[in-house]
Amino acid sequence: AQSVTQLDSQVPVFEEAPVELRCNYSSSVSVYLFWYVQYPNQGLQLLLKYLSGSTLVESINGFEAEFNKSQTSFHLRKPSVHISDTAEYFCAVTSNAGGTSYGKLTFGQGTILTVHP
Amino acid sequence: EPEVTQTPSHQVTQMGQEVILRCVPISNHLYFYWYRQILGQKVEFLVSFYNNEISEKSEIFDDQFSVERPDGSNFTLKIRSTKLEDSAMYFCAGSERNYGYTFGSGTRLTVV
Repeated sequence: AQSVTQLDSQVPVFEEAPVELRCNYSSSVSVYLFWYVQYPNQGLQLLLKYLSGSTLVESINGFEAEFNKSQTSFHLRKPSVHISDTAEYFCAVTSNAGGTSYGKLTFGQGTILTVHP
Repeated sequence: EPEVTQTPSHQVTQMGQEVILRCVPISNHLYFYWYRQILGQKVEFLVSFYNNEISEKSEIFDDQFSVERPDGSNFTLKIRSTKLEDSAMYFCAGSERNYGYTFGSGTRLTVV
């Protein structure tokens, strides 16, 4: 079984400050990792994902996450946040089971990022 | 960019009534999923669907739930007799073989 823990339910920061949203996972098999963002009253949008290769992955809007296998973590970071980054962020994991079950996603509890002016 | 379309965006139903939530996945997706998010809680997996049959389901997905893809395009979730605790946001998702999951905007179901 796999699980995801997001250590912070809410993270308030000021605009242009750096931010880190923490995510730890547990799984007995190799995993693929994702960060999704949910703006109020909207669906889930993929921010970035780690499937293989470089452990540092980046999104188009300045977020990055690093897969750390030894610490079973996939923390999300941004060096300078904007007001528009205010949203809820979900970390998710799936295993590379393949076959007919192409990997259900297991989500963390979510972290609400609030960026203050 | 292709989208997953869900209808309706919001549905209010009386307890005990049947509801059908509809989704139009992206045409080249092969795997389909339903998730739900109870207000203030995390997103939970309900069911996955591949090759016209259920490939995996969670404990939540009991006999009151069913899914089908009747015409090769629409993907529906039916709740036979709704309960108050079924009130949630329901998300449809699809993916190809590359773990490129795409989610719809969701249907907010309110059971009164």
